[in-house]
Amino acid sequence: DIQMTQSPSSLSASVGDRVTITCRASQSISTYLNWYQQKPGKAPKVLMHATFNLQSGVPSRFSGSGSGTDFTLTISSLQPEDFATYYCQQSYNTPFTFGPGTKVDIK
Amino acid sequence: QVQLQESGPGLVKPSQTLSLTCTVSGGSISSGDHYWNWIRQHPGKGLEWIGHIYDSGSTYYNPSLKSRLTISVDTSKNQFSLKLSSVTAADTAVYYCARVTGDHSMDVWGQGTTVTVSS
Repeated sequence: DIQMTQSPSSLSASVGDRVTITCRASQSISTYLNWYQQKPGKAPKVLMHATFNLQSGVPSRFSGSGSGTDFTLTISSLQPEDFATYYCQQSYNTPFTFGPGTKVDIK
Repeated sequence: QVQLQESGPGLVKPSQTLSLTCTVSGGSISSGDHYWNWIRQHPGKGLEWIGHIYDSGSTYYNPSLKSRLTISVDTSKNQFSLKLSSVTAADTAVYYCARVTGDHSMDVWGQGTTVTVSS
C-alpha cells in the first residue's frame, strides 16, 4: 500500500494568513493526488484533483502543486470558512489511501 | 445534480453482518464515466477507503477488509451496497459512499451514516 503522510498535523492561523500544507507519498504517484476539506460532522469535499486542478466552485485562493512524492496545498489568504481538516489522497493505485489530516484552526 | 444517500441500520451486533445501501439520485449509476466507492471514518480519526465498484459489477477491495467484504450494484434501483461480515467494535465508524470521476477524485459524497457495533 502507498502510505501518505501530512505535515503539520495541525496549525493555528489567522484570517488573511497564507497557509501551506504538505503531503508526501511513500512512492511516486505522478500527479494522482487529491485534496479534501472536511468540517465537523460533514462529509469531505474535494478541493483539488490531480494535484493542480481546482474543483468547480472552489475558491481560487486554493492551489495545489507537486509531483512524484511531494505535494502541497496552499491557501493564499485564509478565510473564516476555511477552518477545517484537510486530507490528501492518492488515486495512483488501489487501495486508495488518505493522509492522516491537517487540522487548521483559529489562532 | 447527482446526490448520494446512505441507508442502513445504525446498530449492529458483534459477529453479525453490517449492510448499507447507497442510493444515487439525479443521475444514472450506469453513466460509465464514474465508479462508486465506500469510505469509512472511525470516531475522531482519518479516512479509510473500503472499496469500489463499477456499474459492470467489477470490484476492488481494500486488502485489509477483503475477506469480510462484499460490494454489489443494482443498476435497476440506481443503488450500490456494502456488506461487511463478522463485525467487531473496530468496525464502528461513519460510513460514506462517494462517486469517483475519470481522474479518480471523489467528487460527490453522501452525508455519511454512523454505524455502531455493540451488543
